[in-house]
Amino acid sequence: KNEVEQSPQNLTAQEGEFITINCSYSVGISALHWLQQHPGGGIVSLFMLSSGKKKHGRLIATINIQEKHSSLHITASHPRDSAVYICAPGGSEKLVFGKGTKLTVNP
Amino acid sequence: EAQVTQNPRYLITVTGKKLTVTCSQNMNHEYMSWYRQDPGLGLRQIYYSMNVEVTDKGDVPEGYKVSRKEKRNFPLILESPSPNQTSLYFCASSLLAGGLTGELFFGEGSRLTVL
Repeated sequence: KNEVEQSPQNLTAQEGEFITINCSYSVGISALHWLQQHPGGGIVSLFMLSSGKKKHGRLIATINIQEKHSSLHITASHPRDSAVYICAPGGSEKLVFGKGTKLTVNP
Repeated sequence: EAQVTQNPRYLITVTGKKLTVTCSQNMNHEYMSWYRQDPGLGLRQIYYSMNVEVTDKGDVPEGYKVSRKEKRNFPLILESPSPNQTSLYFCASSLLAGGLTGELFFGEGSRLTVL
């Protein structure tokens, strides 16, 4: 079974700070998803990546398949980035989810 | 508009009364999946489907059934609900490319309480 560890569990930042959230997993996978869950509960897909790096606006995701590790970076953080960020390793049919990182960005 | 629609959004029911949570997507996605989210446990996969008539168990399938008779619909059936199935449920869909799920599209969630 794929064990997924996210760190930190909780993160408080000031607006404008650079944020990093880490995800490590135990079983080799072909891809990994990063998700964002808003305070109201809705879940949005941010990235699906199988190698290297992807960028979307102020968000950057990286993955190292050999080291079984992925990171999500937020540049110039903003209060609207406050949410729970969840990694989900597993590019095939089964997905296992990390417990999430709760990010709070203060103005 | 591309979307995944779940119904009902909120339901309070009693132990043993069969219920179905519907999930429908309008994006012609092959892959559909059900998850439950519980405090401290995060999201866990219940069942998934790679295409019509192709379903398989996730990590927590006990007490649930699914069917995939049409590509757009993937209902979750609780034949005899119990209080430990009180949870927030999400349906999601995705295109498949080379066996990999692409971007996941989630429904808005269904909050189920079993008394």
